[in-house]
Amino acid sequence: AQTVTQSQPEMSVQEAETVTLSCTYDTSESNYYLFWYKQPPSRQMILVIRQEAYKQQNATENRFSVNFQKAAKSFSLKISDSQLGDTAMYFCAFMKTSGTYKYIFGTGTRLKVLA
Amino acid sequence: NAGVTQTPKFQVLKTGQSMTLQCAQDMNHNSMYWYRQDPGMGLRLIYYSASEGTTDKGEVPNGYNVSRLNKREFSLRLESAAPSQTSVYFCASSGDSVPSRGYTFGSGTRLTVV
Repeated sequence: AQTVTQSQPEMSVQEAETVTLSCTYDTSESNYYLFWYKQPPSRQMILVIRQEAYKQQNATENRFSVNFQKAAKSFSLKISDSQLGDTAMYFCAFMKTSGTYKYIFGTGTRLKVLA
Repeated sequence: NAGVTQTPKFQVLKTGQSMTLQCAQDMNHNSMYWYRQDPGMGLRLIYYSASEGTTDKGEVPNGYNVSRLNKREFSLRLESAAPSQTSVYFCASSGDSVPSRGYTFGSGTRLTVV
């Protein structure tokens, strides 16, 4: 069975600075997808970024980028130039490529951006 | 706006009462899911439906039942609510492009069982 671990329950960062959220996972699958979701106080789940395991290049979406280390089973999220609107809960999620597309979520990291 | 609509947004139940959480999507997605979110535990899958007419158990199905009424609607029923079912419930749907787009989530239902 797959597991996803987020070891940082809470983090804070000053506005305009950079922060990295950690995520590790365990799987015996060779191909899969990894995602980061943002959940602001509104509760809405917002897809931030995704990574396909067979792609070595790290995904980037504007101020958000990942550091994907397949051998180490690590998938960290870097937020550059942090903004107050980045304050949210962040979830890392794993998805197999075979069978039904079900997520396995981590327990989340609560990020607070300080003015 | 296209998306996933959940009702109600908030609900308080007494122990032993029953209720149904409703979910509908208008994106012609085949697959639908129910997750619960609890502090310190992330989101856990309760039930899912890979296509109209099929449903399967997820990680935490005990105490729940589901119905995939048609392609658009997927409801979650609590037959006899317990305090342990106090949680935020999310419905989601996905199409064939789910690996690239992920799920589309509803806005959640906060359920409190007293």
